[in-house]
Amino acid sequence: DIVMTQSPESLAVSLGERATINCKSSQSVLHSSNNRNYLAWFLQKPGQPPKLLIYWASTRGSGVPDRFSGSGSGTDFTLTISSLQAEDVAVYYCQQYYSTPFTFGQGTKLEIK
Amino acid sequence: QVQLQESGPGLVKPSQTLSLTCTVSGGSISSGNYYWAWIRQPAGKGLEWIGHIYISGSTHYNPSLRGRATISVDTSKNQFSLKLTSVTATDTAVYYCATLDGGYVLNYWGQGTLVTVSS
Repeated sequence: DIVMTQSPESLAVSLGERATINCKSSQSVLHSSNNRNYLAWFLQKPGQPPKLLIYWASTRGSGVPDRFSGSGSGTDFTLTISSLQAEDVAVYYCQQYYSTPFTFGQGTKLEIK
Repeated sequence: QVQLQESGPGLVKPSQTLSLTCTVSGGSISSGNYYWAWIRQPAGKGLEWIGHIYISGSTHYNPSLRGRATISVDTSKNQFSLKLTSVTATDTAVYYCATLDGGYVLNYWGQGTLVTVSS
């Protein structure tokens, strides 16, 4: 299985400031046939299902604000929130879909400082 | 937009079989647009992939479940289902059904249903 490791485990950022979450996979999730990274990011608020933010490492999901962006390739990826809003408080997960079983990172809890 | 709703018993006894159904609305399960997936999340913990199915009947399961999971599709009811046999307390979790766009991207999720394994 591909192991996904996120850092930090928790993060406190002031409103309006930048938040950065990292995700590292135990093996590359870049497919050579199409040069795509098989990596997604989700946001989960308490009592709610996860919501898709980013897929193919850098493509925003439907309706996702442009303050959310994804970057990286191969084994190292980053989710950036350019200007933190109060509604962004949540747990964030990365997930690889390069090979089954699809696996998730352990989550990063984002709070307001 | 596709909507998903999980249903099933909230309490299952140890060693018995957990059975859940996901009802799909806003689209046909037979359309071939999506694969259909199950994911679970123990309280306060992270997400675990259970498996997924395509309308052709092709399935993929997480080996960590040691062959206990079976996912099936009922096109007449626009539903897909999960059966998990020989459950123990470690199977207690919120179970989510979700769509898998192209077999890769989890784009729509149900609200989740809590299943507790206890005698």
